[in-house]
Amino acid sequence: DAGVIQSPRHEVTEMGQEVTLRCKPISGHDYLFWYRQTMMRGLELLIYFNNNVPIDDSGMPEDRFSAKMPNASFSTLKIQPSEPRDSAVYFCEQPQHFGDGTRLSIL
Amino acid sequence: AQSVTQPDIHITVSEGASLELRCNYSYGATPYLFWYVQSPGQGLQLLLKYFSGDTLVQGIKGFEAEFKRSQSSFNLRKPSVHWSDAAEYFCAVLNSGGSNYKLTFGKGTLLTVNP
Repeated sequence: DAGVIQSPRHEVTEMGQEVTLRCKPISGHDYLFWYRQTMMRGLELLIYFNNNVPIDDSGMPEDRFSAKMPNASFSTLKIQPSEPRDSAVYFCEQPQHFGDGTRLSIL
Repeated sequence: AQSVTQPDIHITVSEGASLELRCNYSYGATPYLFWYVQSPGQGLQLLLKYFSGDTLVQGIKGFEAEFKRSQSSFNLRKPSVHWSDAAEYFCAVLNSGGSNYKLTFGKGTLLTVNP
């Protein structure tokens, strides 16, 4: 079992660009979560899915953020257009299993 | 709504000394509680969890935590700290009900270990 796999590990892009973060979860788990971590606000839950269905997206900061889980093997978090304040580490998690995160820097 | 408080932002201990990291929670029902550790540049790793039963929970890397309902606490302990324990530690409570399954995290405690 390879664990929760996130890609890319690092991304640097200019503001206004579209950013897509990817998560490949462990098979057999019903829940999947996306978090954002910053120094100022710590770990924030953005959205979570149960059986591929979004259950709670109240943590998504703005309409620029969207997330999908088309099947049990894949989820994406998209930011369009990106802004410098979106710079953070984004984590994908299944219960008690975190990915290593994507460190996002928006210039 | 549930919340988690970690009163200590930063703790420094000497290698070999004992460690206790504090965690207080606010939750209406019986809580499910977790401690995670995060090393720089990495995701969170589960150290231990409490769901029910024995209030003293053993985890990985020699850590343990004690659930005290009367104090709404779930403090993490280790009798002898190693330099490799330097990391950030997060306490979390699970909100589970119906289709809900959400972790609420504390702000974290950064542990520095002096040689």
